[in-house]
Amino acid sequence: DAGVIQSPRHEVTEMGQEVTLRCKPISGHNSLFWYRQTMMRGLELLIYFNNNVPIDDSGMPEDRFSAKMPNASFSTLKIQPSEPRDSAVYFCASSEQRGGANEQFFGPGTRLTVL
Amino acid sequence: GEDVEQSLFLSVREGDSSVINCTYTDSSSTYLYWYKQEPGAGLQLLTYIFSNMDMKQDQRLTVLLNKKDKHLSLRIADTQTGDSAIYFCAESVEIYGQNFVFGPGTRLSVLP
Repeated sequence: DAGVIQSPRHEVTEMGQEVTLRCKPISGHNSLFWYRQTMMRGLELLIYFNNNVPIDDSGMPEDRFSAKMPNASFSTLKIQPSEPRDSAVYFCASSEQRGGANEQFFGPGTRLTVL
Repeated sequence: GEDVEQSLFLSVREGDSSVINCTYTDSSSTYLYWYKQEPGAGLQLLTYIFSNMDMKQDQRLTVLLNKKDKHLSLRIADTQTGDSAIYFCAESVEIYGQNFVFGPGTRLSVLP
């Protein structure tokens, strides 16, 4: 398996533009997570899905952020309009919910820079 | 609420043991985890421990859990330069362990 796939790996955009980050989870995993990592705030959980349904979006910073999971093999995180403070590395992770310890498999991340 | 704390930096000499510490607040944690993040990469699970255990050993890694003090540690024996990374402690508090809370990460630097 190729692991969790994220695209793009790097994104540079200007303030006010729309940004869409993409994630393909590991096949067979039924939970998907979006995280944001910055030096100041560390690793923050933004939202997670179980069986394509958003379970907890309390970490989504504000209405400019939205996430969708239209099917089991694809998710997007959209920022509209983007702001310089959104600059961070965004990680997608997936796991197989089976009870017990559930390993989250992380993608390589998307480094977003908003100018 | 849930909170996980770690010291932010640790430096050790190659060949020495490293001990990375973590404290958590939620006594109902079911599993506690150690993840490793190498530069430019995502996090990878190193090891985990169930909350009713107090120790787990896996090759050079030893995890100690003091549930009374809500203290978790990761010991890396014979630390190598390849161990330089950020190490995250995490807890999960739900039955299916889906809701992870990560600590801020400890940046381990291994000096030659």
